[in-house]
Amino acid sequence: NAGVTQTPKFRVLKTGQSMTLLCAQDMNHEYMYWYRQDPGMGLRLIHYSVGEGTTAKGEVPDGYNVSRLKKQNFLLGLESAAPSQTSVYFCASRKTGGTYQETQYFGPGTRLLVL
Amino acid sequence: GQQLNQSPQSMFIQEGEDVSMNCTSSSIFNTWLWYKQEPGEGPVLLIALYKAGELTSNGRLTAQFGITRKDSFLNISASIPSDVGIYFCAGQSANAGKSTFGDGTTLTVKP
Repeated sequence: NAGVTQTPKFRVLKTGQSMTLLCAQDMNHEYMYWYRQDPGMGLRLIHYSVGEGTTAKGEVPDGYNVSRLKKQNFLLGLESAAPSQTSVYFCASRKTGGTYQETQYFGPGTRLLVL
Repeated sequence: GQQLNQSPQSMFIQEGEDVSMNCTSSSIFNTWLWYKQEPGEGPVLLIALYKAGELTSNGRLTAQFGITRKDSFLNISASIPSDVGIYFCAGQSANAGKSTFGDGTTLTVKP
């Protein structure tokens, strides 16, 4: 049981390049989330998914797209990377949403540098 | 959008001292969460609070869900060097379990 895994761990991009970050969870969780964390700040929600085939915008969705084609995977795409997207990206999953007493599990993060 | 104010921003304490940090919000949350993040890792949940007024302990950690549902505090008693890290509060809404995070409290413990 690997929990939440993220690929890649680190990436350097040039402005304008595209890339996809992969998040995978093996806990059969319904809900998945993508956050970004900038230096000295907390995590901010980019997009989230409440189930396979569904996605929704979070607090800071501009410049990102997501897909949840399989329940266990949640992909975050950058179509045209900008230096402002330099950040650490965290994926998280949760069994269900709402106020149920369940833990949100985080992956180890992907460090992205856009030059 | 919703914002959390977490304080203090950083703390430098001596081993054995007690620590207190808190979060306030302009919005009501259904759940308050406290996480710890170590360098190069994702946040790990320490304590979850589900009812206004609730006081919950996890070892040397104690957290409370404010009566107004707009604030929470975390206390760490008898700090040890491995307590070093960044502590985040998060308010969680009933809408898809989305969490709003504070900016963190960086804790340094001197042996």
